[in-house]
Amino acid sequence: SSELTQDPAVSVALGQTVRITCQGDSLRTSYASWYQQKPGQAPVLVIYGKNNRPSGIPDRFSGSSSGNTASLTITGAQAEDEADYYCKSRDSSVQEVFGGGTKLTVL
Amino acid sequence: EVQLVQSGAEVKKPGESLKISCKGSGYSFTSYWIGWVRQMPGKGLEWMGIIQPGDSDTRYSPSFQGQVTMSADKSISTAYLQWSSLKASDTAMYYCARRSEYWIDGNLLSYYMDVWGKGTTVTVSS
Repeated sequence: SSELTQDPAVSVALGQTVRITCQGDSLRTSYASWYQQKPGQAPVLVIYGKNNRPSGIPDRFSGSSSGNTASLTITGAQAEDEADYYCKSRDSSVQEVFGGGTKLTVL
Repeated sequence: EVQLVQSGAEVKKPGESLKISCKGSGYSFTSYWIGWVRQMPGKGLEWMGIIQPGDSDTRYSPSFQGQVTMSADKSISTAYLQWSSLKASDTAMYYCARRSEYWIDGNLLSYYMDVWGKGTTVTVSS
């Protein structure tokens, strides 16, 4: 079982704001990274560190962290944002672990 | 262009051995660890472990320790993932990814996987 907990599914109306969360003790001392995966495609890094976006990732994606919870926020969700989102951080043995993933539906 | 190119799809029988590859280009291959990630059909991502191609130092997730072997040949910028005896439960997509480090004020705060291969599908069936 994952040491990072995500809601299995979240939905958002087109153009609205959605927050996807990731909970785990390791997040108190380590930042999460976030990955977007569309069907049949490899994951893509969308947020890393405190709140950093790789080149090519739209600025509607942002990250934040508080206590044991990391969040990925999409401000003004677009149809193309519909995907699975995974957080990743360290686990208790200083290895790395993915959250279970959140399926985002854009209505 | 920085990229990781993975080997093609494999179909194997239970008990057979397999070695899949991941070739890096466009960057200094030995400057970054390479991670492997499993995704079983319809399931989430699982972190399997990482290898430093420069000296082949490896770290395995406890879930995969003893089940797979990671190796690398730095002379050809290629990392490998291998099985000595496949099981049906090894059927999955396997991704390699480059691991980068996030530092603030001299402190290493996290890792992230910034470059991914397209994946290698492994099907194990009798």
